Amino acid sequence: EVQLVESGGGLIQPGRSLRLSCEASGFIFDDYAMHWVRQAPGKGLEWVSGISWNSGSIAYADSVKGRFTISRDNAKNSLYLQMNSLRAEDTALYYCAKDIGVAVAGHFAYWGQGTLVTVSS
Amino acid sequence: EIVMTQSPATLSVSPGERATLSCRASQSISRNFAWYQQKPGQAPRFLIYGASTRVTGIPARFSGSGSGTEFTLTISSLQSEDFAVYYCQQYNNWPYTFGQGTKLEIK
Repeated sequence: EVQLVESGGGLIQPGRSLRLSCEASGFIFDDYAMHWVRQAPGKGLEWVSGISWNSGSIAYADSVKGRFTISRDNAKNSLYLQMNSLRAEDTALYYCAKDIGVAVAGHFAYWGQGTLVTVSS
Repeated sequence: EIVMTQSPATLSVSPGERATLSCRASQSISRNFAWYQQKPGQAPRFLIYGASTRVTGIPARFSGSGSGTEFTLTISSLQSEDFAVYYCQQYNNWPYTFGQGTKLEIK
């Protein structure tokens, strides 16, 4: 069974940094691209970033480009999101999602339960 | 950025009836299109990709159609578990974008 477990969220002041993690199990992690998708409270879904199986292809939403960095450690079956210069508008539930193949194809086939990031002073 | 626009925002339908949800893309995306279902307090669920291919395990009452800029999700006979928010999404171009959602509620 595919399992994705996010962690690292919390209350953080504007301008500070936070690192999210996603631990994967139940599948061969390095056979799949991975993504971060977020959902502000009571709002819709926003794709944040995606990374291919070998980190060779990475993409970001314009809203986070230059501030967020996605990475993965295939030896640890883990996906990360380093978030710098956080803003109030980054407040959201952050989901880790698995794609359907090695490339960043934009299919969010499996989702974790999310980790909540609240940016507030 | 490709803008995805869903209609209606809320759809009220009785159990057993058919529901039709629409999504429009601001430019042609071929069939690089997906639907997701989200229930309160849960993560989204992948329903359909390639505009019309059901994900394994998704009931046959869910069907998708369309190409280019106009897409439709049809639920042929609504079950109680189908009442949820549905999102469309394009994966033709980065950044991947979602519609704002259609809330399917019990009439």
